[in-house]
Amino acid sequence: EPEVTQTPSHQVTQMGQEVILRCVPISNHLYFYWYRQILGQKVEFLVSFYNNEISEKSEIFDDQFSVERPDGSNFTLKIRSTKLEDSAMYFCASSKETGVQETQYFGPGTRLLVL
Amino acid sequence: SQKIEQNSEALNIQEGKTATLTCNYTNYSPAYLQWYRQDPGRGPVFLLLIRENEKEKRKERLKVTFDTTLKQSLFHITASQPADSATYLCALDAYSSASKIIFGSGTRLSIRP
Repeated sequence: EPEVTQTPSHQVTQMGQEVILRCVPISNHLYFYWYRQILGQKVEFLVSFYNNEISEKSEIFDDQFSVERPDGSNFTLKIRSTKLEDSAMYFCASSKETGVQETQYFGPGTRLLVL
Repeated sequence: SQKIEQNSEALNIQEGKTATLTCNYTNYSPAYLQWYRQDPGRGPVFLLLIRENEKEKRKERLKVTFDTTLKQSLFHITASQPADSATYLCALDAYSSASKIIFGSGTRLSIRP
């Protein structure tokens, strides 16, 4: 069964460094998402992406964050200058369509630790 | 303010019993509600979706109800097994948005043999 994959599984970085988290969505999906989950807290929506542009973003997704689909398969989340509070699990998800009839398929996550 | 609350952080029940988890929301008007399973260190896995005009949905040992008057969804696992132990998340659409899902904080379910 097709799956969303994410790399790396773990990333440790120093505060102020840039990180890029990578995702390969399911191949026939058109909508892509990033979520984060701080340890012990709820899963939070960051951004949705369709047709090479951001569809929607949350208040968490500030100027430090950017997303890109650099080629036909990868979908990336970049954090320009990491802060301690960016430490979290980051999940990528994808779906065929968007709207009430669709579900999102989540990847296994990247655990980011900012020191 | 808008809230999604899941009734308890943790629920511990005996194998074979029915587990019932509750999701309440305030100041949302969702068109649908979803339930996900999340194992430690893993991403959420979709289980069931129920629309606002549906009262009940079933899938194997799972049953979901959706009461838009009470603003509540109940998630049942019948004949529970230790393998059902996980955190269960409810999620709903922000209604103002087609793509934004809002998650509850989850209920950690433990099924003891």
